[in-house]
Amino acid sequence: KNQVEQSPQSLIILEGKNCTLQCNYTVSPFSNLRWYKQDTGRGPVSLTIMTFSENTKSNGRYTATLDADTKQSSLHITASQLSDSASYICVVHMDSNYQLIWGAGTKLIIKP
Amino acid sequence: EAGVVQSPRYKIIEKKQPVAFWCNPISGHNTLYWYRQNLGQGPELLIRYENEEAVDDSQLPKDRFSAERLKGVDSTLKIQPAELGDSAVYLCASSRRQGVYTEAFFGQGTRLTVV
Repeated sequence: KNQVEQSPQSLIILEGKNCTLQCNYTVSPFSNLRWYKQDTGRGPVSLTIMTFSENTKSNGRYTATLDADTKQSSLHITASQLSDSASYICVVHMDSNYQLIWGAGTKLIIKP
Repeated sequence: EAGVVQSPRYKIIEKKQPVAFWCNPISGHNTLYWYRQNLGQGPELLIRYENEEAVDDSQLPKDRFSAERLKGVDSTLKIQPAELGDSAVYLCASSRRQGVYTEAFFGQGTRLTVV
């Protein structure tokens, strides 16, 4: 069954600290993996897209990694800011039918 | 460039009543999606349009849900009759075309509460 699992479910850290969110997937055939940020009350916004051949991609203080062999991805946030408080959702794009398999997200709270 | 516009932002209705949501995608975007998102979960695809054609509606509960995309631009999603379990956020998204690097842009969603 095609699934995307994220951990932790929620995370609280202090402003300025780093954190890493995890994503494991069992999706085949794989096309690409995306990380989205969803602020409360808003739609998701894309942070990064990685294909099979890419193992790291950065977007400012966000760095995503992908290990296609172990089917794992991570999103690392450096020097967190209060505005980073949001849900972060991992999404895997299937190659065969353009279907997107969504994870449940990690709810990140940054405390001052 | 204007983003995806959805209305209304919030809707509260009694069960068994009908409700409709409206979406105006980004200009030039051929693909339009409707998603449902329950609290603490990722979005779940209800239907995907390529222009005016519904190409994936396998997850749409067709006994009570219907959707249309007039002239391949705006779209409406309707629920009739609504049930308590339909309470969720309904997200509309659009993208230029299907492909490996296609990025979908989301509207702010309509939060539906069925009482």
